[in-house]
Amino acid sequence: TQLLEQSPQFLSIQEGENLTVYCNSSSVFSSLQWYRQEPGEGPVLLVTVVTGGEVKKLKRLTFQFGDARKDSSLHITAAQPGDTGLYLCAGAGGSGGSNYKLTFGKGTLLTVNP
Amino acid sequence: GAGVSQSPRYKVTKRGQDVALRCDPISGHVSLYWYRQALGQGPEFLTYFNYEAQQDKSGLPNDRFSAERPEGSISTLTIQRTEQRDSAMYRCASSLSPGSYNSPLHFGNGTRLTVT
Repeated sequence: TQLLEQSPQFLSIQEGENLTVYCNSSSVFSSLQWYRQEPGEGPVLLVTVVTGGEVKKLKRLTFQFGDARKDSSLHITAAQPGDTGLYLCAGAGGSGGSNYKLTFGKGTLLTVNP
Repeated sequence: GAGVSQSPRYKVTKRGQDVALRCDPISGHVSLYWYRQALGQGPEFLTYFNYEAQQDKSGLPNDRFSAERPEGSISTLTIQRTEQRDSAMYRCASSLSPGSYNSPLHFGNGTRLTVT
């Protein structure tokens, strides 16, 4: 069974601070996705990483896929209240998994206070 | 430009009743997925369709759960003889083509099921 552990589970910071959230597994994934979910809505895809060591940037968000494709991180620079939400990582494929079946972590609930 | 639509938005039912949850995917999307999300958790895979064919139902918890997509568009997730442990948010997602990493999933806003 593939599992993804996310840390921290909760994070409350002030506007302007930087933060990093982590997504770790003992399993190898073919790809890893990051989603943001706001209250009452479904998860919305932010980025997909597929190559070990890959780094992708989306404005103030930087995503990294570990060299061994078992872990990933999301770094937010100068956080804003609009970044508040539940950040979920999800892996597909790899060690016995299917490319269509996403395994989600439990998420990091981020609150950015003005 | 409608997204994935799910109905009802909320469903409260008594234990032992059957419920049917509907998903209307984005037009033209080949693949449709059902996930279940408990409060404070990430979504958990239930089942997956390509067109009308159910490709994988390994995530359905037991035989009280079933899903269909008879014309390759709208899908229904049915739970028979509901139990309190079935209470959760049920989310549908669709993608243009099979395989998640090269064809992003678009999630609906879900159906919140409460079994009393």
